[in-house]
Amino acid sequence: EAGVVQSPRYKIIEKKQPVAFWCNPISGHNTLYWYLQNLGQGPELLIRYENEEAVDDSQLPKDRFSAERLKGVDSTLKIQPAELGDSAVYLCASQRGQGGTGELFFGEGSRLTVL
Amino acid sequence: GQSLEQPSEVTAVEGAIVQINCTYQTSGFYGLSWYQQHDGGAPTFLSYNALDGLEETGRFSSFLSRSDSYGYLLLQELQMKDSASYFCAVRLSSGNTPLVFGKGTRLSVIA
Repeated sequence: EAGVVQSPRYKIIEKKQPVAFWCNPISGHNTLYWYLQNLGQGPELLIRYENEEAVDDSQLPKDRFSAERLKGVDSTLKIQPAELGDSAVYLCASQRGQGGTGELFFGEGSRLTVL
Repeated sequence: GQSLEQPSEVTAVEGAIVQINCTYQTSGFYGLSWYQQHDGGAPTFLSYNALDGLEETGRFSSFLSRSDSYGYLLLQELQMKDSASYFCAVRLSSGNTPLVFGKGTRLSVIA
């Protein structure tokens, strides 16, 4: 089974520019997460989707961040405008149906550098 | 708020055993997971404990004490490839809920 695919792997932009990240979760995984990981830190939740519905976006800075998951499959995370402090790795993860261990399957992340 | 504490760095010799501890204070608790992340890579699932006791998966074991809000990951017969960051993560409730991650422990395995 193919894993979680993210693109781009690396992105360098100047501050105030927009940027977008794309995630394709594992087929059949209805739950999708975007996490933010700063250097030397653990992942921090930005938003959770159940199918196409954002069910937990309380940690998403809505003044500059937006996300969508059209048709309940692929998802896009956008930042506009980017700030220096947004430099981090943006991780996408998907999850099977409820129950079990609650294991998250992560992509390799999109590393953003804002200059 | 949610708080998970784990050592920031651990160094151990190849072939040895190392234990990485995790204590947590969270608004809810359903289970404790452990993830491994190599530099530049994706976090990958290692183990999960919902009940007190020890879970063993090959060279890795994980322990949970719910009454002490404490768990640990035990790595045996360390190999150089085990050098990575290890994160404990709390599952706050049942179902598909987000995990709350600790800051991670960077393990360095030396010859």
